[in-house]
Amino acid sequence: DAGVIQSPRHEVTEMGQEVTLRCKPISGHDYLFWYRQTMMRGLELLIYFNNNVPIDDSGMPEDRFSAKMPNASFSTLKIQPSEPRDSAVYFCASSPQRGILLTFGSGTRLTVV
Amino acid sequence: DAKTTQPPSMDCAEGRAANLPCNHSTISGNEYVYWYRQIHSQGPQYIIHGLKNNETNEMASLIITEDRKSSTLILPHATLRDTAVYYCIVRVAMGGATNKLIFGTGTLLAVQP
Repeated sequence: DAGVIQSPRHEVTEMGQEVTLRCKPISGHDYLFWYRQTMMRGLELLIYFNNNVPIDDSGMPEDRFSAKMPNASFSTLKIQPSEPRDSAVYFCASSPQRGILLTFGSGTRLTVV
Repeated sequence: DAKTTQPPSMDCAEGRAANLPCNHSTISGNEYVYWYRQIHSQGPQYIIHGLKNNETNEMASLIITEDRKSSTLILPHATLRDTAVYYCIVRVAMGGATNKLIFGTGTLLAVQP
């Protein structure tokens, strides 16, 4: 298995632009998580899905952020419009039904200028 | 969830054992202790977990005190590649909402040559 695959690895965009981050979880994993990491706030859980259904989005910072999981093999995190304070590394992770053995992707480093 | 307390940083000489402590004095009977680590610029990586018995795998050993109020992660022969932030997390090992992992600040382990 190739693990959790995220794209792009790096994204630089101008303030106000729409940004879409992508994630392909490990096949057979029922849970998918989006995290954000900054120096100031550390690793924050934004949202997670179970069987493609959003379960808890309490960590999504504001309405500019949205996440979807149209099928078991793909998820997106969208920021519209983007702001400089959204600059961070965004990680996607997946896990099987039982236990919390998360496998993380390599992350997307987002820079909003 | 039980809170954990870890030292912010530790040093270890290459080739020596690294012993990373974690206090979780409010742990409940059904909560497991999980350890993850994050090497610079990578996503967190699962290391090991346990309930009450000591555990060992190819990466590390986990020693949990009899009263379960603290634990120690042991890297038997630390290498420079073990330099990372190590996170100790306490959660119930079940599906549903308990699957979400909340990361604290962890311990930055610096392995010195």
